[in-house]
Amino acid sequence: AQTVTQSQPEMSVQEAETVTLSCTYDTSESDYYLFWYKQPPSRQMILVIRQEAYKQQNATENRFSVNFQKAAKSFSLKISDSQLGDAAMYFCAYRSLPNFGNEKLTFGTGTRLTIIP
Amino acid sequence: NAGVTQTPKFRILKIGQSMTLQCTQDMNHNYMYWYRQDPGMGLKLIYYSVGAGITDKGEVPNGYNVSRSTTEDFPLRLELAAPSQTSVYFCASSYPPGQGYYGYTFGSGTRLTVV
Repeated sequence: AQTVTQSQPEMSVQEAETVTLSCTYDTSESDYYLFWYKQPPSRQMILVIRQEAYKQQNATENRFSVNFQKAAKSFSLKISDSQLGDAAMYFCAYRSLPNFGNEKLTFGTGTRLTIIP
Repeated sequence: NAGVTQTPKFRILKIGQSMTLQCTQDMNHNYMYWYRQDPGMGLKLIYYSVGAGITDKGEVPNGYNVSRSTTEDFPLRLELAAPSQTSVYFCASSYPPGQGYYGYTFGSGTRLTVV
């Protein structure tokens, strides 16, 4: 079974600075998907960014980018120019390719990000 | 475009009571899921469904039941509520990987307290 580990329960960053959230995962599969989700106090789960494992190029979405290291099984999220609205819990997640009986999104335990004005 | 709709948003149950959490999606997604999120933790899969009439257990299925009679609806049933079921419940849906956008769309969650 796959596991996702987020070793930083809490992080903080000054507004306008850059912060990196760490995520490692364990899998024996060669192809899969990785995600970062944001959960603000509203509780809604919001997709931030996604990465297909077969793509070597790191995904980027505006101020959010990832550093995907497949061999190291690492998938970190970099937030540039941090804004107050970025304050939230961030979850790293893993999804297998279709394989009935193994179809689920596996989540890490989350990192709470605080933005300091 | 409603996406994934969960009802109710909040509920307090007494030990031993039963209830159904409703979930409906209007995106014609084949796959639907129920997760629970305990305080300070990530989400754990309770049950999932890959299509109408097909359901399977996730990591933490004990104390819950599901059914999937239509593509749109995936209700979660708690038969005998216990304090350990106090949690926030999320319903989600998606296409299968390889068929369009493969991310999950989540509902807004149901906060359930069992006293």
